[in-house]
Amino acid sequence: QVQLQESGPGLVKPSETLSLTCTVSGGSLITYYWTWFRQAPGKGLEWIGLIHSGGNTAYSPSLKSRVSISVDTSRNQFSLRLNSVTAADTAVYYCARYVWDGSSSAAFDIWGHGTMVPVSS
Amino acid sequence: QTVVTQEPSLTVSPGGTVTLTCASSTGAVTSGYYANWFQQKPGQAPRALIYSTTNKHSWTPARFSGSLLGGRAALTLSGVQPEDEADYYCLLYSGPWVFGGGTKLTVL
Repeated sequence: QVQLQESGPGLVKPSETLSLTCTVSGGSLITYYWTWFRQAPGKGLEWIGLIHSGGNTAYSPSLKSRVSISVDTSRNQFSLRLNSVTAADTAVYYCARYVWDGSSSAAFDIWGHGTMVPVSS
Repeated sequence: QTVVTQEPSLTVSPGGTVTLTCASSTGAVTSGYYANWFQQKPGQAPRALIYSTTNKHSWTPARFSGSLLGGRAALTLSGVQPEDEADYYCLLYSGPWVFGGGTKLTVL
């Protein structure tokens, strides 16, 4: 079955760029959408943005100026970049699959385990 | 920016029934909001339960059901089990996707 695994540096310094990769195994990322979420310690979930395997993207308005999501179909991976981070970006970051049928069905079904990214000097 | 509101906490007895709701600051929630519901236990990733308001995933226990109720999206648990104690989040589409603040469900 399809599984997702987040990877990236364990610590990011303030003002630097947070970069994470999500590797899709057990299936192809072609024809699906892929998304990033995050959860600050002790807080609720936040949607960051998504990308279609063809490259179309959508981002949260609150993060749009700092975020970029890309896809590498040859490696079955998609990636998140978040610029100019501050302590407020400290969170567990999750990747997930988004299944959209184009009209009536929208599901975020498969999630990665998440990776904690502290922002600290 | 749309604000999505859930009950902060609810308590239910084992075997009982409880309904969690999800309201939008933009007005009544309809099928076009494609409500998704997730369960999260401490230290774990969220697990998808319901999509597009009423649809269950293949792994969703039968006691969970989704609906629209009084202009809100709703998640009903019937015959609650101790292992249902968790945080529950709704996610609505309103241009961007927006989460509710979550409901902490206690089974007591």
